[in-house]
Amino acid sequence: DIQMTQSPSTLSASVGDRVTITCRASQSISSLLAWYQQKPGKAPNLLIYKASSLKSGVPARFSGSGSGTEFTVTISGLQPDDFATYYCQQYNSHPYTFGQGTKVEIK
Amino acid sequence: QVQLQESGPGLVKPLQTLSLTCTVSGDSVRSGGYYWSYIRQPAGKGLEWIGRIYTSGTTNYSPSLKSRVTISLDTSKNQFSLRLSSVTAADTAVYYCASEEKYSGKFDYWGQGTLVTVSS
Repeated sequence: DIQMTQSPSTLSASVGDRVTITCRASQSISSLLAWYQQKPGKAPNLLIYKASSLKSGVPARFSGSGSGTEFTVTISGLQPDDFATYYCQQYNSHPYTFGQGTKVEIK
Repeated sequence: QVQLQESGPGLVKPLQTLSLTCTVSGDSVRSGGYYWSYIRQPAGKGLEWIGRIYTSGTTNYSPSLKSRVTISLDTSKNQFSLRLSSVTAADTAVYYCASEEKYSGKFDYWGQGTLVTVSS
């Protein structure tokens, strides 16, 4: 299985901050990576796919980058609605695997 | 837009079989446009992909669960189902059904999730 490791596990930030979450794969996954946002009690919501493609309707303050084994998602100008947990997911090979999550909390 | 809704018992006894159904609206499970998947999440933990099925009946399962998992289609009801046998407390989780656009690998649509507790 491909292991996905996110850092940090928790991130404290303020509204308006620029925040970056990192996801590392245990082997190369090309650009076959997605990012999801999850709020308490809700299903995950797709934000980014193919490492850097923004899903339609997702605010442009979200951006993704990376390829191979290292990936990032950046939120430029954190909004109150962005406080949530973020997960990366690789779909290079089965079984699909997710990172352990990064909780973005209010500072 | 695809909508998904999980249903099934919220409590299962140890060593019994967990059974869940996902009802699909907005598309047909026969359309060929999606793989139909199950994903679970223990309380306070991360997401675990369980497996998927395609309209042809082809399935893919996580190796860690493969010996206990069956995912099937009911095209007459536009549903797909999960069966997980010989459950233990470690199988207690919120179970989600989700659609993966064919050839994409990303999960575009999710059900709201259903909590299944394994307890006697």
